[in-house]
Amino acid sequence: AQSVTQLDSQVPVFEEAPVELRCNYSSSVSVYLFWYVQYPNQGLQLLLKYLSGSTLVKGINGFEAEFNKSQTSFHLRKPSVHISDTAEYFCAVRSRGYQKVTFGIGTKLQVIP
Amino acid sequence: DTAVSQTPKYLVTQMGNDKSIKCEQNLGHDTMYWYKQDSKKFLKIMFSYNNKELIINETVPNRFSPKSPDKAHLNLHINSLELGDSAVYFCASSRAETAHYEQYFGPGTRLTVT
Repeated sequence: AQSVTQLDSQVPVFEEAPVELRCNYSSSVSVYLFWYVQYPNQGLQLLLKYLSGSTLVKGINGFEAEFNKSQTSFHLRKPSVHISDTAEYFCAVRSRGYQKVTFGIGTKLQVIP
Repeated sequence: DTAVSQTPKYLVTQMGNDKSIKCEQNLGHDTMYWYKQDSKKFLKIMFSYNNKELIINETVPNRFSPKSPDKAHLNLHINSLELGDSAVYFCASSRAETAHYEQYFGPGTRLTVT
């Protein structure tokens, strides 16, 4: 079985401040990890993904995430947020050899002007 | 040039009715999915088809029946709608069984059952 936990349901942050959105996963085998973003009234869009190799993954819109196998984490970071980053962010996991992707409950990032 | 499209975008209907949501992708993907997102934004897989064959069928009431006429289409038919079916339904697609496994989502269909 696989699961993913997003530790914060809401994260308020001031514009131009750094942000970290936390994600922990659980799986008995190796995993693929993803972060998706959902803007209001839209579908999900892939931000970045970890498949293998370098543990630091860079994505679109200045976001990056670091895969930490020992801590089973895949936290998302951005050094300076913009108002336009206000959205819901979903961490997702897929275990190797397993068809299903499991999504976390989402973290609402609210950027304050 | 929309990648994954869904119709309708909004659907308001009464309890007991039967309704369908259509999904089409023009990405040439082999696998398509239906997800349900509830009012708390929790996203749950319902079904997945690979080359028109059902490969994931989560614990979903049998009032929900997916149909895949071809690789590019996956429709969702819901019988005897209930209040609890109110949600946003997302269609998605991906390449099957590749390492670069990511899903492309449609814009969603907001279903409201009154």
